[in-house]
Amino acid sequence: GAVVSQHPSWVICKSGTSVKIECRSLDFQATTMFWYRQFPKQSLMLMATSNEGSKATYEQGVEKDKFLINHASLTLSTLTVTSAHPEDSSFNICSVIRTGTNEKLFFGSGTQLSVL
Amino acid sequence: AQSVAQPEDQVNVAEGNPLTVKCTYSVSGNPYLFWYVQYPNRGLQFLLKYITGDNLVKGSYGFEAEFNKSQTSFHLKKPSALVSDSALYFCAVRDRAGFQKLVFGTGTRLLVSP
Repeated sequence: GAVVSQHPSWVICKSGTSVKIECRSLDFQATTMFWYRQFPKQSLMLMATSNEGSKATYEQGVEKDKFLINHASLTLSTLTVTSAHPEDSSFNICSVIRTGTNEKLFFGSGTQLSVL
Repeated sequence: AQSVAQPEDQVNVAEGNPLTVKCTYSVSGNPYLFWYVQYPNRGLQFLLKYITGDNLVKGSYGFEAEFNKSQTSFHLKKPSALVSDSALYFCAVRDRAGFQKLVFGTGTRLLVSP
């Protein structure tokens, strides 16, 4: 079964509105989650690292005030795209890291965001 | 900076034939290399990784990959393709600093025809 649950799978929204994407770790507590984004014909790129109980760490060039990340519990991280524009249309996917001797990364199923 | 190149957007192969999905990388130092697969409506799934040791790495579902340091390549291979192998494949590289620095390629869609 799935280790990471991501919702919604796809979302269509109007320009200027906000969209929230949820990422849940189902099998273990995750202090760290990652958010990736992929534009057409481009690589899947790390946007930010979500840390439970503290501020997210954003990669260079990612606007923290536009892409709000909340990691309020050990099993849930949310990404809110505020004032979305058509150029924000992308495939967004979260991942959860299981730490330990056999460190492993698990991914959600992704969210296709289309901004009209 | 680390980077990964997957030169083919799509690979088409007939069922039963061998398949290769190409990946080249650029990283300072010794790389950790990964292949992930994404089936429709599913999350990325881990296929295999190269950390150290034998250059030929065997993974899930009969896939294997060959690490070639001189060519900085890590091509994914399977001797006999199945229709069910049709999916999106991502190559990724990280340095030894951890998963925080995992860098992906653009992905290659594999289509296996009956």
